[in-house]
Amino acid sequence: DGGITQSPKYLFRKEGQNVTLSCEQNLNHDAMYWYRQDPGQGLRLIYYSQIVNDFQKGDIAEGYSVSREKKESFPLTVTSAQKNPTAFYLCASSSWTSGVQETQYFGPGTRLLVL
Amino acid sequence: GQNIDQPTEMTATEGAIVQINCTYQTSGFNGLFWYQQHAGEAPTFLSYNVLDGLEEKGRFSSFLSRSKGYSYLLLKELQMKDSASYLCAVRDGNAGNMLTFGGGTRLMVKP
Repeated sequence: DGGITQSPKYLFRKEGQNVTLSCEQNLNHDAMYWYRQDPGQGLRLIYYSQIVNDFQKGDIAEGYSVSREKKESFPLTVTSAQKNPTAFYLCASSSWTSGVQETQYFGPGTRLLVL
Repeated sequence: GQNIDQPTEMTATEGAIVQINCTYQTSGFNGLFWYQQHAGEAPTFLSYNVLDGLEEKGRFSSFLSRSKGYSYLLLKELQMKDSASYLCAVRDGNAGNMLTFGGGTRLMVKP
């Protein structure tokens, strides 16, 4: 089955700790994205990557880092610099055709909680 | 930048029809998407409009008017399982063709 997987489903972070959220897709999509969703709100873009070994900051990149070493994988690290990390994190992927992104498809999400 | 507005909450009755509106302001409109998101789950794609008019998919339809910066999602024959948030997202050709999401409309379907 083709799709997007995220792990873990729930993640707990201690003060001063970096944590990494996993996102894998087998849809052969070129582009991948990370969003943050706070309760009752829409999605805000953290980082995106249109191609392997390249990524761009979104609207709220501060306190986060990413890598794109493989087409299938786009892990997100929430660093200790992110002072309010509690949120629902969603990974998405899409094709990218002639400079235009196609429909984005989402993984099941990771809920990050601070201890 | 972009500004996307949707009502925060709506309530409707099982079996009825409901219309969820989305208005946007963008300099480089290049498509509008509707997603459904059940609580605690991932958004799932519902529909896409880039030209004016109505797109129908079973019980769900989406309408776009580019001149008015307006779209709506129409849900017919409402079922209890339609209780969810509905997200409107606009693709902006002047912003790298990235999506900007509205805050979402939480729909509650009552018996």
